[in-house]
Amino acid sequence: SQQGEEDPQALSIQEGENATMNCSYKTSINNLQWYRQNSGRGLVHLILIRSNEREKHSGRLRVTLDTSKKSSSLLITASRAADTASYFCATAPSNTDKLIFGTGTRLQVFP
Amino acid sequence: NAGVTQTPKFQVLKTGQSMTLQCAQDMNHNSMYWYRQDPGMGLRLIYYSASEGTTDKGEVPNGYNVSRLNKREFSLRLESAAPSQTSVYFCASSEVAGLDTQYFGPGTRLTVL
Repeated sequence: SQQGEEDPQALSIQEGENATMNCSYKTSINNLQWYRQNSGRGLVHLILIRSNEREKHSGRLRVTLDTSKKSSSLLITASRAADTASYFCATAPSNTDKLIFGTGTRLQVFP
Repeated sequence: NAGVTQTPKFQVLKTGQSMTLQCAQDMNHNSMYWYRQDPGMGLRLIYYSASEGTTDKGEVPNGYNVSRLNKREFSLRLESAAPSQTSVYFCASSEVAGLDTQYFGPGTRLTVL
């Protein structure tokens, strides 16, 4: 089945640095969403970007979408220790009413 | 406004036992979902209900049944639990299936011995 795949699988950075995570998918989509999951908790929605949008911002988060390359990136600027979590992309394929989640990027931010 | 609630939080079953996981949302959402999360595999959709009165299979439906009891509640039943069903189960809801943000519950950690 189509699935978003995140890259890298794991990322370790120092506080204050930027973190970039990438997501690739296979078929046309209605939208792409990014979620965060703290250890042992449920997922929290971060940003939804629609297929006709190229870039979206929310606070320190910036998401880009390139439908020609079927890829998206999530940039977290000036990272904090509290940003330590797993980040998942989820794609909404055009021909279904489901979300397909990737396997996630584990981000560790050291103080 | 509690959002999405799930019960129980933890459960241990023996192989062959049955149980029902409960989920409720108070956001008046039309769509509800059940996922399982296994280490290193992300979330996989088990079943979903795009609207009250409808249910559809997801990626991994075998061994599970669901009931959309009303607009608020969506339950997941394991009729005869197997060790392969050891996982963390998440319920989620959204306004419109496939087009909207999903809101997740805190999860149920299930172990089948």
